[in-house]
Amino acid sequence: AQKITQTQPGMFVQEKEAVTLDCTYDTSDPSYGLFWYKQPSSGEMIFLIYQGSYDQQNATEGRYSLNFQKARKSANLVISASQLGDSAMYFCAIPRYNQGGKLIFGQGTELSVKP
Amino acid sequence: DTGVSQDPRHKITKRGQNVTFRCDPISEHNRLYWYRQTLGQGPEFLTYFQNEAQLEKSRLLSDRFSAERPKGSFSTLEIQRTEQGDSAMYLCASSYFSGGGEKLFFGSGTQLSVL
Repeated sequence: AQKITQTQPGMFVQEKEAVTLDCTYDTSDPSYGLFWYKQPSSGEMIFLIYQGSYDQQNATEGRYSLNFQKARKSANLVISASQLGDSAMYFCAIPRYNQGGKLIFGQGTELSVKP
Repeated sequence: DTGVSQDPRHKITKRGQNVTFRCDPISEHNRLYWYRQTLGQGPEFLTYFQNEAQLEKSRLLSDRFSAERPKGSFSTLEIQRTEQGDSAMYLCASSYFSGGGEKLFFGSGTQLSVL
């Protein structure tokens, strides 16, 4: 069965520094995607970045990049140059086996950016 | 494109009352999902529609829950005879599915409190 593990309940980072949020996964799907979402206190889940398991390069979207290590089954999110507005919950997610939009989420990491 | 919108943002009700939530997806999206998120957890899949057809219901969705998507546009989620355990954030998401990878875009959610 698919499973997502986020081992950091909370993280602190100084403004303008980089931070890495950990995500490991387990799946039997030979082809899969990994998602990261941001959830600020307003509640909306904001799509950040997607990595396909067969993508040759690590995904990047602005200040967000994925450190994808397929053999280790990890897909860590790197946020460069942290901003105060980055303070939020961050969730890693993977689709259920061959069932695209039915995502399995981790428990999330709460990131706090200090001024 | 105004994104996924949900109404109401907050709902407080007494145990035993019925409640209904509405979700308006991104207009060109053909799939619509409902998720539930309890405090400290990631969202969990409840049900989804492709156009107007409801294709799957999670076992988390008891008989007191019903969802509809008439005409394949907006969707409603109704909870009958609410219980305190129904207190949660109810998130709606939509996607355009055409056979490949599927990216979900979420709304801001409806926070339900059952007293």
